[in-house]
Amino acid sequence: QVQLVQSGAEVKKPGSSVNVSCKASGGTFNNYAISWVRQAPGHGLEWMGRIIPLLGTTNYAQRFQGRVTIIADKSTRTAYMDLSGLRFEDTAVYYCARESGKWDLPHWGQGTLVTVSS
Amino acid sequence: SALPQPPSASGSPGQSVTISCTGTSSDVAGYNYVSWYQHHPGKAPKLIIYEVSKRPSGVPDRFSGSKSGNTASLTVSGLQAEDEADYYCSSYAGSNNLVVFGGGTKLTVV
Repeated sequence: QVQLVQSGAEVKKPGSSVNVSCKASGGTFNNYAISWVRQAPGHGLEWMGRIIPLLGTTNYAQRFQGRVTIIADKSTRTAYMDLSGLRFEDTAVYYCARESGKWDLPHWGQGTLVTVSS
Repeated sequence: SALPQPPSASGSPGQSVTISCTGTSSDVAGYNYVSWYQHHPGKAPKLIIYEVSKRPSGVPDRFSGSKSGNTASLTVSGLQAEDEADYYCSSYAGSNNLVVFGGGTKLTVV
């Protein structure tokens, strides 16, 4: 059974960066993409980007290009999402999710609240 | 930008409700990779439909999906109180923004 466990809540200043981790257990880690999805208060789900751990290849949503970096450590089965240049509107719950190979997300982490506050 | 969904939908217990998700030839109409997620506040989203109409193991057959042209639909039959949640569609959207979500629909069971 696939389980994704994310790092804890963060409070960050505007302009700083945040790094959220996502550790996978069970199932296959290398071959399936890990996506990052966020939900800001009062807003819907928003796809940010993904990585295929085996290849290290990444794809990012256009609106996050240049601000988001996703990496994966195959040895520890952990994916990381780094978001820089934080703004107040980046306050959100950030989720990692593992794909099934059919562009769907059957496995989700518990979410990490990132609060941007001065 | 997000795929348009109605912001709200409602039904009484036992009734059926259908939620639409409107896309374009670049996403919904172009690929059979439409998924639907159920999201209860404070919990992680749950996949309930993938590849337009397939149900993951454990998802009741009260949930069904379909697609016609650029519009995908989720139908919840035999509404139950626990179905009250936010529902999001998503679609593969090609090489630019690989995955796009819908704006979400809040389903109320009255």
